[in-house]
Amino acid sequence: AQSVTQPDIHITVSEGASLELRCNYSYGATPYLFWYVQSPGQGLQLLLKYFSGDTLVQGIKGFEAEFKRSQSSFNLRKPSVHWSDAAEYFCAVRNNNAGNMLTFGGGTRLMVKP
Amino acid sequence: DTGVSQDPRHKITKRGQNVTFRCDPISEHNRLYWYRQTLGQGPEFLTYFQNEAQLEKSRLLSDRFSAERPKGSFSTLEIQRTEQGDSAMYLCASGDLTLHFGNGTRLTVT
Repeated sequence: AQSVTQPDIHITVSEGASLELRCNYSYGATPYLFWYVQSPGQGLQLLLKYFSGDTLVQGIKGFEAEFKRSQSSFNLRKPSVHWSDAAEYFCAVRNNNAGNMLTFGGGTRLMVKP
Repeated sequence: DTGVSQDPRHKITKRGQNVTFRCDPISEHNRLYWYRQTLGQGPEFLTYFQNEAQLEKSRLLSDRFSAERPKGSFSTLEIQRTEQGDSAMYLCASGDLTLHFGNGTRLTVT
């Protein structure tokens, strides 16, 4: 069965600093990978996705992620964090054999210091 | 495209009562999904529909839970005889290759 691990439950960075959120997945075939962001009390907004091709994908709000098959990782990065980026971030892998349902990691809560 | 809409946004109910949530997906999406999210956790899959057919249900979906999608448009999720452990955010999503989520219904069972 597929699974997603986000090793960091909380991360605090200073505004303007760079950010990397880690995601490791387990999936038997070529993974389709996603990053979503969730503000308090809200639903999930798609940041970016990887299906195939270039392993460095660009998303909204200045985020990017790199797929590394050898490390089973799909880490999210941003060169300069803004206070409005404070939120919870979820990595997910799609099960292509079960109705395209997503399996999510436990999330990483990002706090931004002024 | 008005996005995925869920109603109500918040529901407070007493243990033992029945509750029903509604989800209106993005109109052209054939697939509709329900997820549950408890505090500090990632969303967990409950069930999904392809048009009006319910094709998969998670083991999380006990006998007290039922979901419908009549005519393949909106969907409802009903929880009968609610328990305190049902307190969670219930998220609806629609889409095929990429899922688009609604803002959820937060259920509190007292």
